[in-house]
Amino acid sequence: TQLLEQSPQFLSIQEGENLTVYCNSSSVFSSLQWYRQEPGEGPVLLVTVVTGGEVKKLKRLTFQFGDARKDSSLHITAAQTGDTGLYLCAGGSNYKLTFGKGTLLTVNP
Amino acid sequence: ETGVTQTPRHLVMGMTNKKSLKCEQHLGHNAMYWYKQSAKKPLELMFVYSLEERVENNSVPSRFSPECPNSSHLFLHLHTLQPEDSALYLCASSHSPGLADSSYEQYFGPGTRLTVT
Repeated sequence: TQLLEQSPQFLSIQEGENLTVYCNSSSVFSSLQWYRQEPGEGPVLLVTVVTGGEVKKLKRLTFQFGDARKDSSLHITAAQTGDTGLYLCAGGSNYKLTFGKGTLLTVNP
Repeated sequence: ETGVTQTPRHLVMGMTNKKSLKCEQHLGHNAMYWYKQSAKKPLELMFVYSLEERVENNSVPSRFSPECPNSSHLFLHLHTLQPEDSALYLCASSHSPGLADSSYEQYFGPGTRLTVT
């Protein structure tokens, strides 16, 4: 069974701070997705990384895929209250996605 | 309508009721998924349909019955549910999994919040 561990589980910071959340596994994935989910809504796809060592930037968000394609990180610079939400990573393998439990981020004004 | 839509958004049902959840995707995808999201657990994949054929049934109890009449529509028929089935039920769609050029990107609907009393 493939498992994705996300850390930290909860994170509460002040607006303007930087943060990094992690997604780790002992399994190799063909690709890795990051999603953000707001209360009462479905997850929204933020990015897909497919190549070991790949780095993608989306405005203030930087995503990195580990060289061995087993782990990933999401770094947010100068967090804003609108970044509040549940961040989910999902690994793609054998035609389906395996999700982590998520990191619940709260950005306080 | 754009993206993936789900109805109803909220549903309260008794254990003896029969109800159905509906999902529709407007993205031109040919694979659709049902997930269950409970507190403190990862998203649980329930069913996968690819090209209108069920390709995955993840040991889901028979009180959940999926139906995929075409590549744009997916239903989840519910009967004789238990209180522990209360959860957010999410529908997603993607290009058909397993194809050489397919990514694993899935696009989710807003979910149906189900409460079983």
